[in-house]
Amino acid sequence: DSGVTQTPKHLITATGQRVTLRCSPRSGDLSVYWYQQSLDQGLQFLIQYYNGEERAKGNILERFSAQQFPDLHSELNLSSLELGDSALYFCASSGSGSWGTDTQYFGPGTRLSVL
Amino acid sequence: AQTVTQSQPEMSVQEAETVTLSCTYDTSENNYYLFWYKQPPSRQMILVIRQEAYKQQNATENRFSVNFQKAAKSFSLKISDSQLGDTAMYFCAFMKNSGNTPLVFGKGTRLSVIA
Repeated sequence: DSGVTQTPKHLITATGQRVTLRCSPRSGDLSVYWYQQSLDQGLQFLIQYYNGEERAKGNILERFSAQQFPDLHSELNLSSLELGDSALYFCASSGSGSWGTDTQYFGPGTRLSVL
Repeated sequence: AQTVTQSQPEMSVQEAETVTLSCTYDTSENNYYLFWYKQPPSRQMILVIRQEAYKQQNATENRFSVNFQKAAKSFSLKISDSQLGDTAMYFCAFMKNSGNTPLVFGKGTRLSVIA
């Protein structure tokens, strides 16, 4: 158990819908990262938050957005869903502040199926 | 931009034998971290081992060790005394050492341990 939690585990929805994925980082971790794992694109970085602020953006679509709340949990919002958005979405956390805390620990992932 | 290449899409090894997974990367950075993550059939991403680029000594974690060749930009993973539970996808990943930055992943190597 990495200490990172994600809900829900599975999500089945239809095209055009909107969903929210939730992530709670490890205790004390300030950074949250979102990654998408699909068969054709592999593991791709979407977005990073650090202590409530957006820190880095990767290959995140405009239909997707995220935020990190004061209690450090994060939500990834996916809207106008398309079939191609079906993937495993991982959250990872890192950075408790001391040296060598950059290692990212992953949650169990949310499997999104868009039908 | 950094890239990570895993040239072996699939490998297999007999139980109790040793196997080496290859990874090369391209970067202009001098300070960085390299990681191997394991993804078993459960799909959880599990950290296997971490290497700081400034350290000449190769990292080891029990049966897992790396051969880090900075000049050649090579970072291979050796698994000794392979066990059935080692069956998984293995991802090589790169992270810039500039404070909590996203991971760049290779496409993975699927390892099967055969009884």
